[in-house]
Amino acid sequence: GQSLEQPSEVTAVEGAIVQINCTYQTSGFYGLSWYQQHDGGAPTFLSYNALDGLEETGRFSSFLSRSDSYGYLLLQELQMKDSASYFCAVGGGYQKVTFGTGTKLQVIP
Amino acid sequence: KAGVTQTPRYLIKTRGQQVTLSCSPISGHRSVSWYQQTPGQGLQFLFEYFSETQRNKGNFPGRFSGRQFSNSRSEMNVSTLELGDSALYLCASSLDKRTNNEQFFGPGTRLTVL
Repeated sequence: GQSLEQPSEVTAVEGAIVQINCTYQTSGFYGLSWYQQHDGGAPTFLSYNALDGLEETGRFSSFLSRSDSYGYLLLQELQMKDSASYFCAVGGGYQKVTFGTGTKLQVIP
Repeated sequence: KAGVTQTPRYLIKTRGQQVTLSCSPISGHRSVSWYQQTPGQGLQFLFEYFSETQRNKGNFPGRFSGRQFSNSRSEMNVSTLELGDSALYLCASSLDKRTNNEQFFGPGTRLTVL
């Protein structure tokens, strides 16, 4: 089976940097994805890591270590609009997509 | 390109009734997945359909079922509704790639069971 664990809540100050961790257990690993979901909205795709290392997309970066079955999402220059839930996910193709437990990020002034 | 659409957006039902939810994927996407989301429970995988066949199934009772049509549109059905079925039901479509299989979500159907 597949399972992914994340911290349930994180609070950070506007303008700061925050890291959201994800540890996973899965067979047939192809990569780790991250999604953002605002309250009342649908999840939207943020990033994907297939190989070890850091992928940067604007203020957001995502890191993967396949040997440690671990990844994280890094959000820089936090803005109030970044307050949302963040999910990591594995799977694709014949393997169902499984989402992590989700991390609720609260950005405070 | 139009996004994933789900109908209806809101539903109120009573215990024991049944409900059918509909999902139209992005044109060209043949994989459709369904998720149940409740407060504090994250996204619980219900099932996935690909080319009219159920390819994966989550750990939900048989009251939850689905199907996919030849145009990739999908429906899910919940029979004998229980209070605990109140949730946001999300549908997602994808290009079914093994790597970077980005899921495109619809706005969801919020089901309330009274």
